[in-house]
Amino acid sequence: AQSVTQPDIHITVSEGASLELRCNYSYGATPYLFWYVQSPGQGLQLLLKYFSGDTLVQGIKGFEAEFKRSQSSFNLRKPSVHWSDAAEYFCADFLTGSASKIIFGSGTRLSIRP
Amino acid sequence: DTGVSQDPRHKITKRGQNVTFRCDPISEHNRLYWYRQTLGQGPEFLTYFQNEAQLEKSRLLSDRFSAERPKGSFSTLEIQRTEQGDSAMYLCASSLATGLANIQYFGAGTRLSVL
Repeated sequence: AQSVTQPDIHITVSEGASLELRCNYSYGATPYLFWYVQSPGQGLQLLLKYFSGDTLVQGIKGFEAEFKRSQSSFNLRKPSVHWSDAAEYFCADFLTGSASKIIFGSGTRLSIRP
Repeated sequence: DTGVSQDPRHKITKRGQNVTFRCDPISEHNRLYWYRQTLGQGPEFLTYFQNEAQLEKSRLLSDRFSAERPKGSFSTLEIQRTEQGDSAMYLCASSLATGLANIQYFGAGTRLSVL
C-alpha cells in the first residue's frame, strides 16, 4: 500500500541550529508532496508543496524542501530554527490516482532547546 | 478569506451519546474533507464532498458516522452511539478543485473525548 514514512518520531535541536526532517514516499510516478505543521491543539498549516518543476521548493517561515526522486525523499530543512518552530511536522502525498485523498506520515515532533 | 472554521473546538461526551460537529469551509472552495487524527498519528481521510455530493468514504467511516453538506457550503459530521475509540481530533479541510492536485486547507479541528 502507498505510504509516507517519517523515520524520526521526535527531534530536539538547539535554537539557532539547522534542521532537517526526513520524509520518504513509497511510490508514484508523479508524487504531489506536502509538508504541514501543527502546533499544539491546532489544525494543520501548509508549509510548502511540490507538484513539479524545480526540485528545491521554498515555503513559509523560512522552510525549504528538496525532492529527490532517486531516493524517494522530500526532506524539510531550515537553516536556523526559532523557539516558535516547536511543533509537529507532517509530510504528505496524494494517494496515486486520487485527487482527494492525502496520505500523511505519522509526524515528527520538533522540540527546541534554548 | 476567513479560513476553515470548525465548531465546537472541544467536545466531551459520555459513551453512547450522539455528537455533531460543524465545518465551514473557505467560501469559494467547492471541496470539503473530513479527517480523523488520533494521538501520535497523522490525519486519516474519512470522506469528502464536491459541492453537496459525497464522493468518497473511507472504510474508517463506520455506519455510526454520517456526514452531510446539504447546500454545498458548511458540512456536519455526526457520530451516533459514541464509543471510547471515537476519541480523536476531527479535522475539516477545504479546497478549490482545479486540475489534478488540490491544496487542502485545514481548520483547527474538533477534539472529541468520549468518557
